Amino acid sequence: GENVEQHPSTLSVQEGDSAVIKCTYSDSASNYFPWYKQELGKRPQLIIDIRSNVGEKKDQRIAVTLNKTAKHFSLHITETQPEDSAVYFCAASPADKLIFGTGTRLQVFP
Amino acid sequence: KAGVTQTPRYLIKTRGQQVTLSCSPISGHRSVSWYQQTPGQGLQFLFEYFSETQRNKGNFPGRFSGRQFSNSRSEMNVSTLELGDSALYLCASSLLGSTQETQYFGPGTRLLVL
Repeated sequence: GENVEQHPSTLSVQEGDSAVIKCTYSDSASNYFPWYKQELGKRPQLIIDIRSNVGEKKDQRIAVTLNKTAKHFSLHITETQPEDSAVYFCAASPADKLIFGTGTRLQVFP
Repeated sequence: KAGVTQTPRYLIKTRGQQVTLSCSPISGHRSVSWYQQTPGQGLQFLFEYFSETQRNKGNFPGRFSGRQFSNSRSEMNVSTLELGDSALYLCASSLLGSTQETQYFGPGTRLLVL
């Protein structure tokens, strides 16, 4: 069935370092890949998304890459800041719904 | 524009009871999706409603049901509650429910089953 695997489950980095979170998906029909950030006690919020006709997308310190052949996509955060600390969820969209990964808890230490 | 709202924010129930949760989407949005969030499981898709019709359903037992009203507000119901139903229930709305649209999440309803 449809599945999205996300790694790592936890990630600790020093402020200023980069962080990379990776996801793989099973349904080759997936064509939309959003990333959500959920701060403690708050609702998930979209931070960046990529569509299957694009290989990479960047928004300031955040970038996402997509490899459709390998069925994986990654989130890259550069120059991390303490306010980047949160749980990050990837998701893949086959034809009719969003399937989420299990989340990565990112901690950025000052 | 007001964001997605959910009521109640917190609920405590006992096993065997039933519960109804409510979600009001962003004005103009016609699609509402529901998710269950538990530690370690991430967000699991429950179902999606569009124009009062359930379009998609996840792999949850029949105890989980929902509906959508003509004003796009949606409710979900869980009958015969089990301890494992304790979770944060999130709803998300989008304009047309296209899977390439951004989904906007509500704050969630935290359900505790004792």
